[in-house]
Amino acid sequence: GQNIDQPTEMTATEGAIVQINCTYQTSGFNGLFWYQQHAGEAPTFLSYNVLDGLEEKGRFSSFLSRSKGYSYLLLKELQMKDSASYLCAVRDSNYQLIWGAGTKLIIKP
Amino acid sequence: ETGVTQTPRHLVMGMTNKKSLKCEQHLGHNAMYWYKQSAKKPLELMFVYSLEERVENNSVPSRFSPECPNSSHLFLHLHTLQPEDSALYLCASSQETGEYYGYTFGSGTRLTVV
Repeated sequence: GQNIDQPTEMTATEGAIVQINCTYQTSGFNGLFWYQQHAGEAPTFLSYNVLDGLEEKGRFSSFLSRSKGYSYLLLKELQMKDSASYLCAVRDSNYQLIWGAGTKLIIKP
Repeated sequence: ETGVTQTPRHLVMGMTNKKSLKCEQHLGHNAMYWYKQSAKKPLELMFVYSLEERVENNSVPSRFSPECPNSSHLFLHLHTLQPEDSALYLCASSQETGEYYGYTFGSGTRLTVV
């Protein structure tokens, strides 16, 4: 079967750095997505990786290793507004999105 | 309006009721999706309308039925639901051209079945 694993919950301190990991086992690979979802709101697109390496976008970076079936989302200079759930999703060989259950990130002052 | 709009935002219904969820996208996308989101579970794909062709997930109970009258509108008709159907129902759209396409989500309908 297809599977996406990510931690259920993480806690970090305002101003610090946090890394949210995602491992996947899917039938083929056609890209990996990270979405942010605040409570009661729509998931919003953060990043897309299809080649190995690091993609940087402001305070957020996303890394991919296809050989290891592994990705992480790195958030720097954490702000209270970064408290949200972070969803990892992989597009398989049929171009269907396989989703993880999400990581709830709690930021403390 | 821009983006993906879902109505209503909240819905409470009895098990014998019939109701419909509405989704509208103003992005010119050619694919639309219904997802179910339950606490601490991955998003569950329910239905896809892609290039006007419906792709159905066989595990979705018949008490859920989608309708896509055109590329901008998507409905989810609900009847005789069960309490375990209580969840957040998300609509999304995408443009299926080229290698990359991401999804744009609506804010969802929080459904409670009593």
